[in-house]
Amino acid sequence: QVQLVQSGAEVKKPGASVKVSCLASGYTFTSYYIHWVRQAPGQGLEWMGVINPSGSTTTYAQKFQDRVTMTRDTSTSTIYMELNSLRSEDTAVYYCARLLGGTTVAFDIWGQGTLVTVSS
Amino acid sequence: DIQMTQSPSSVSASVGDRVTITCRASQGISSWLAWYQQKPGKVPKLLIYAASGLQSGVPSRFSGRGSGTDFTLTISSLQPEDSATYYCQQANTFPYTFGQGTKLEIK
Repeated sequence: QVQLVQSGAEVKKPGASVKVSCLASGYTFTSYYIHWVRQAPGQGLEWMGVINPSGSTTTYAQKFQDRVTMTRDTSTSTIYMELNSLRSEDTAVYYCARLLGGTTVAFDIWGQGTLVTVSS
Repeated sequence: DIQMTQSPSSVSASVGDRVTITCRASQGISSWLAWYQQKPGKVPKLLIYAASGLQSGVPSRFSGRGSGTDFTLTISSLQPEDSATYYCQQANTFPYTFGQGTKLEIK
């Protein structure tokens, strides 16, 4: 079935980096854009950016522009999101989500989420 | 950035009630609006796309309307399993933005 499976929880110290993976299966990897959304504890959803798995082009939210890098590996159908210079406010669950395009333009498949905890 | 404002922030209703949640965009987004349901500890689930399209598998008691700046999500007959937080999200312009959420509780 169509699914996105993310890597496990991470604990990082302030200033460190984290790299979260998102393994796609059950569909043609290069046909759908993958977005990253995060959710701090008890808070709402925040869009971080998007990668086109076909051409590897990316668009990032300005808030994260200087700290985030999204990449993909077509040989393993995996998307990566790396966030640098972590601070306590980056503690959140990070989701990858598939964008259903055409006239739909909504996130139809989500990864299970990866909790990233930033603490000294 | 386009700001998405939901109202109310929370609502309590009884089983069988009709519930409407409103989402307003700070500028026109045509019909590029989606609604998601999120239960505690769970992944968001797509309910409505393109303002009024019902996602496959979603019960027909959920419906969406609107275009431009004003949108609504309506649950026609509330069920116990509808207790959740609901988010709207615009997909017209980067950065895609979400509303702050509406927490729906069952009385």
